[in-house]
Amino acid sequence: VIWMTQSPSLLSASTGDRVIISCRMSQGISSYLAWYQQKPGKAPELLIYAASTLQSGVPSRFSGSGSGTDFTLTISCLQSEDFATYYCQQYYSFPQTFGQGTKVEIK
Amino acid sequence: EVQLVESGGGLVQPGGSLRLSCAASGFTFSSYEMNWVRQAPGKGLEWVSYISSSGSTIYYADSVKGRFTISRDNAKNSLYLQMNSLRAEDTAVYYCAREVAAAGIDYWGQGTLVTVSS
Repeated sequence: VIWMTQSPSLLSASTGDRVIISCRMSQGISSYLAWYQQKPGKAPELLIYAASTLQSGVPSRFSGSGSGTDFTLTISCLQSEDFATYYCQQYYSFPQTFGQGTKVEIK
Repeated sequence: EVQLVESGGGLVQPGGSLRLSCAASGFTFSSYEMNWVRQAPGKGLEWVSYISSSGSTIYYADSVKGRFTISRDNAKNSLYLQMNSLRAEDTAVYYCAREVAAAGIDYWGQGTLVTVSS
């Protein structure tokens, strides 16, 4: 099983801020990592796949980087609609695993 | 437009069974791998099960292995999850999710709530 450590679990920020969320794996996964955004009462939505590829329709203020064991999701200029919970997911091997989630709240 | 619509959730007693269904439309269902992912109330996402496009390859999370069975009917564009010996800890919203090879889960259904309680 590949264990994931996502941090921070809670992030307080203001609109216009640059925010960074980290995801660390217990073993290397190449670039088989995705990032999702979830708003209350809604299904998750794919933001980034293959560690750094932006899903179609996702604003360019979202970016992903990393490979191997360390990955980051960056939101360059936080907008009001970005306040949500973010999850990383590895799909390198089964069982697929998700990070614990990062809630981005208004400061 | 891709649509995944789950059904079959509800209240069930511990030890009981439920069968979830997911109706897919807007894409060639038989070409895609599919997953079930769940989310307990107020908790994070937990991957439950995977099935390949043909149904020949299946994986389960340890937490459900031996109790849950994933299947699909490509002729009916449908995905299923048979859940037996249900426990309180299986209480969650269950999402049907389409996977793209090497690209993660690109579409999710709206979810169906399963509550296991006496």
